[in-house]
Amino acid sequence: QVTLKESGPGILQPSQTLSLTCTFSGFSLSTYGMGVGWIRQPSGKGLEWLANIWWDDDKYYNPSLKNRLTISKDTSNNQAFLKITNVDTADTATYYCARMGFAYWGQGTLVTVSS
Amino acid sequence: DVVMTQTPVSLSVAIGQPASISCKSSQSLVHSDGKTYLNWLLQRPGQSPKRLIYLVSKLDSGIPDRFSGSGSETDFTLKISRVEADDLGVYYCLQGTHFPNTFGAGTKLELK
Repeated sequence: QVTLKESGPGILQPSQTLSLTCTFSGFSLSTYGMGVGWIRQPSGKGLEWLANIWWDDDKYYNPSLKNRLTISKDTSNNQAFLKITNVDTADTATYYCARMGFAYWGQGTLVTVSS
Repeated sequence: DVVMTQTPVSLSVAIGQPASISCKSSQSLVHSDGKTYLNWLLQRPGQSPKRLIYLVSKLDSGIPDRFSGSGSETDFTLKISRVEADDLGVYYCLQGTHFPNTFGAGTKLELK
């Protein structure tokens, strides 16, 4: 059974760095072909893909945020991470992680950027 | 970036009636491996998105065959043969062929 769960700070201030963790089970990021991605959704709005990381440590970023994003993984602990630097109010959203292929999603974690 | 244009924005359908959603991409979604990575997702209120269809027309496990996907290259359609109450929510198309992966803006399915 594949499950994913996101965790984050809940609230942070403008200019800070957002750190998100995706803890998953039912698959391994050391398995050929596996990947985890991050997607976000501002309240009442659509979905935006942010970044992917693959079993071979290949990484892809959304160019619109690329300079601010860093994705990484801890294969031993079945976790994937996303950092977003220099956040502002426009980064307020629910952040999801999903296994690549998008068949499995986490429940999402709400992040609010506010001073 | 590949732009995914979804229509209509909203859809009001009576239970038991059919529904159809269109998704057009700004470039072909045929990957160099020959596959077309076009997905359809449903997000029910307060829930995470759920994939219904992948590779244009393949139904995910547990998805009723009232749902069907079709299309090719740049033009895709999701059809529900008979809408049920559980089908309400926002439908998104998502292309996984090109990076960045991109979503349609969504179609809200409501009951008439």
